[in-house]
Amino acid sequence: GENVEQHPSTLSVQEGDSAVIKCTYSDSASNYFPWYKQELGKRPQLIIDIRSNVGEKKDQRIAVTLNKTAKHFSLHITETQPEDSAVYFCAASLNTGTASKLTFGTGTRLQVTL
Amino acid sequence: NAGVTQTPKFRVLKTGQSMTLLCAQDMNHEYMYWYRQDPGMGLRLIHYSVGEGTTAKGEVPDGYNVSRLKKQNFLLGLESAAPSQTSVYFCASISEPRAYEQYFGPGTRLTVT
Repeated sequence: GENVEQHPSTLSVQEGDSAVIKCTYSDSASNYFPWYKQELGKRPQLIIDIRSNVGEKKDQRIAVTLNKTAKHFSLHITETQPEDSAVYFCAASLNTGTASKLTFGTGTRLQVTL
Repeated sequence: NAGVTQTPKFRVLKTGQSMTLLCAQDMNHEYMYWYRQDPGMGLRLIHYSVGEGTTAKGEVPDGYNVSRLKKQNFLLGLESAAPSQTSVYFCASISEPRAYEQYFGPGTRLTVT
């Protein structure tokens, strides 16, 4: 089955700096890579996703890059703000007409300090 | 539209007791999933369903059973709870496989003593 590794497990940045979280996956057939943000005691919320036919996607301060050859993808947050502090999860999935199962990374706790 | 809801929000069980967690969605989604979340381990898939009357095992199915008698509901059962099942349980749903985004419920925090 799919295996997703995520690094680092904790990340502390100063407000205004950039944060980068990296994930690798094992199944070359995976074609969907979402990123979730989870605040303490809350449900995971999708913040950005990318499909295997795209190399990069950006949404305001958040961007995701995908390298299919190396089987890794990364989340980039620019101009970090205190409200970006949360746990971030990457995931990988094979989405076909009959299958869709997410495999999650172990999470990165991001702390944005003033 | 309530989205995905879970009942109960919190529960404390004693070892050996049984209980059922209910996940309900009002979005007419075909696929539904049960995950557990433990510190430092992300979310792991327990069981899932690709439609009414169907269920399948995920990554960590042992000790759990599921049923999908109605399209809008997905039940997760613990027949004999163990302390290792202390976790936060999340339900999720998706309209169809190529819809991509999974919608998560608010979670159920279960403690087994």
